[in-house]
Amino acid sequence: DTGVSQNPRHKITKRGQNVTFRCDPISEHNRLYWYRQTLGQGPEFLTYFQNEAQLEKSRLLSDRFSAERPKGSFSTLEIQRTEQGDSAMYLCASSLEGFNSPLHFGNGTRLTVT
Amino acid sequence: DAKTTQPTSMDCAEGRAANLPCNHSTISGNEYVYWYRQIHSQGPQYIIHGLKNNETNEMASLIITEDRKSSTLILPHATLRDTAVYYCIVRVARTSGSRLTFGEGTQLTVNP
Repeated sequence: DTGVSQNPRHKITKRGQNVTFRCDPISEHNRLYWYRQTLGQGPEFLTYFQNEAQLEKSRLLSDRFSAERPKGSFSTLEIQRTEQGDSAMYLCASSLEGFNSPLHFGNGTRLTVT
Repeated sequence: DAKTTQPTSMDCAEGRAANLPCNHSTISGNEYVYWYRQIHSQGPQYIIHGLKNNETNEMASLIITEDRKSSTLILPHATLRDTAVYYCIVRVARTSGSRLTFGEGTQLTVNP
């Protein structure tokens, strides 16, 4: 399968703990995006990378959130000191450069904070 | 970002064509219309996109009006597996970014 891969698929953590998610994009895609989706809502943009550079961050991305893409390939999203409001599906997508290039999404990581 | 308006829900009989409308009256000349769908517990799936001309692929057809203020996604022979939330998105043509901004979409239910 050469699609976008996200790990883990599910994560349950206690409030206050740190969590990290991984995204492996489609290999030739130089753009990588993170989105968050809560129940009944459409996905909300968090941040995006072009190669290893983080070019845009949403106001939704609080100081407790950090994303990296160190070698321009896979990416990690870390949430520090998790809160119950962080419970959501975290989606990763990748694309080629250009607004004529569709984003291809993974199946997400579902985070539950207890 | 240009706003889109979609019906909250639609029903379709299995085997019939499903026609999903979208209004995007504030679209700019260089902005693309994208359609995605999302089946429960999965990530959004890309369906089709277009700028001015009608487009067709193995999944669907996209009809864009001449003034570009609205579009229709057509699933020619809907199956039960097409039950999903369908998102119509106008993608801003920035040289940097050009993320997709999702609304609430249309819940399409295909009935046997």
